[in-house]
Amino acid sequence: EDQVTQSPEALRLQEGESSSLNCSYTVSGLRGLFWYRQDPGKGPEFLFTLYSAGEEKEKERLKATLTKKESFLHITAPKPEDSATYLCAVPTYTGGFKTIFGAGTRLFVKA
Amino acid sequence: DTGVSQDPRHKITKRGQNVTFRCDPISEHNRLYWYRQTLGQGPEFLTYFQNEAQLEKSRLLSDRFSAERPKGSFSTLEIQRTEQGDSAMYLCASSSPTTTSGAGGSSGELFFGEGSRLTVL
Repeated sequence: EDQVTQSPEALRLQEGESSSLNCSYTVSGLRGLFWYRQDPGKGPEFLFTLYSAGEEKEKERLKATLTKKESFLHITAPKPEDSATYLCAVPTYTGGFKTIFGAGTRLFVKA
Repeated sequence: DTGVSQDPRHKITKRGQNVTFRCDPISEHNRLYWYRQTLGQGPEFLTYFQNEAQLEKSRLLSDRFSAERPKGSFSTLEIQRTEQGDSAMYLCASSSPTTTSGAGGSSGELFFGEGSRLTVL
């Protein structure tokens, strides 16, 4: 069964303390891997799509990378406004395309 | 604002009552999805429309849940005889094949609404 697992569940950083979030996936035939950001009480907001192993995407302090089994979201010198839940997702095909999500990593950045 | 809109944003109801949520997708998007999210979890897939056709329903969707997308535009999600376990955030998302790149015809990135939070007392 297709599956997405994220770790850690929660991560507390000091402002400026770089770290990485992990997303491991099991899917038959990868058709892309997505990262979303979700603020409390709001819907997820798209960040990146990665399609092949070795691919990297960057946006401000965030960089997403992809291997054959997992993806990392690297956060460089985070700021308090980076505090949010980061969700990893993969599309799957079971007669019709749908996207399945991991449980997310809740990131807290303290000033 | 031409994003995905959901209504109502919050709904409090008593157990056993029926509730209906509405989603207006981005106008040029032909795919529409409903997800449910509980505290500390990622969104769980409920159902998916391509235009007006409902192409997939999750096993999570009991007979008390029904979704429609008449004319391939807005969609409604109705929950009949609500139970306390139905309390959750109900998220709607839309996408378009034009936002998809890469091989395999993936669903592409999803554009989510702000969600409808349901509390069943």
